Amino acid sequence: DAGVIQSPRHEVTEMGQEVTLRCKPISGHNSLFWYRQTMMRGLELLIYFNNNVPIDDSGMPEDRFSAKMPNASFSTLKIQPSEPRDSAVYFCASSSPGLAAYNEQFFGPGTRLTVL
Amino acid sequence: KQEVTQIPAALSVPEGENLVLNCSFTDSAIYNLQWFRQDPGKGLTSLLLIQSSQREQTSGRLNASLDKSSGRSTLYIAASQPGDSATYLCAVRPFSGNTPLVFGKGTRLSVIA
Repeated sequence: DAGVIQSPRHEVTEMGQEVTLRCKPISGHNSLFWYRQTMMRGLELLIYFNNNVPIDDSGMPEDRFSAKMPNASFSTLKIQPSEPRDSAVYFCASSSPGLAAYNEQFFGPGTRLTVL
Repeated sequence: KQEVTQIPAALSVPEGENLVLNCSFTDSAIYNLQWFRQDPGKGLTSLLLIQSSQREQTSGRLNASLDKSSGRSTLYIAASQPGDSATYLCAVRPFSGNTPLVFGKGTRLSVIA
């Protein structure tokens, strides 16, 4: 398996522009998580989905952030409009159902976002 | 609210030394705990996962222990090598099922040849 795939790997944009981050989870995994990593706050959950349904979006900073999961193999995280304080590394992770796997999470390589 | 702390934030050791990384969490009611490795500019690689009912897990030169009642976990690295240099992250899963992790801020390890 190719693992969790994220695109783009790097994104540089100007304040006010729309940014869309993409994630393809591992095939067969039914849960998908979006995390953000900054130096100050470390890794924090933004939102997660089970079976394509958003379960908890309390970590989404504000209305400028939105996430969708239209099917089991694709999710997007959109920031509109972007601001310099959104600069961070955004990680997507997925996990599989069933007790045998203990719901271990597997992470993608991340998208490094810089908002100028 | 669950909080995870890792001490020290950074550690530098000579090659060959055995070392211990520490992780503590405020709420002992956890489902499991994962240790990850993160190389600069890279994603997270899962090293070990310990269920709440387990006391330790081993993989090669790595051994992770869990003392749920005291809210502590340790990652023991034997015979450290320069290739072990990375940031090590501890994360707890408070609830069963496919639920989110709560992360510590990590320990940045440098192994000097």
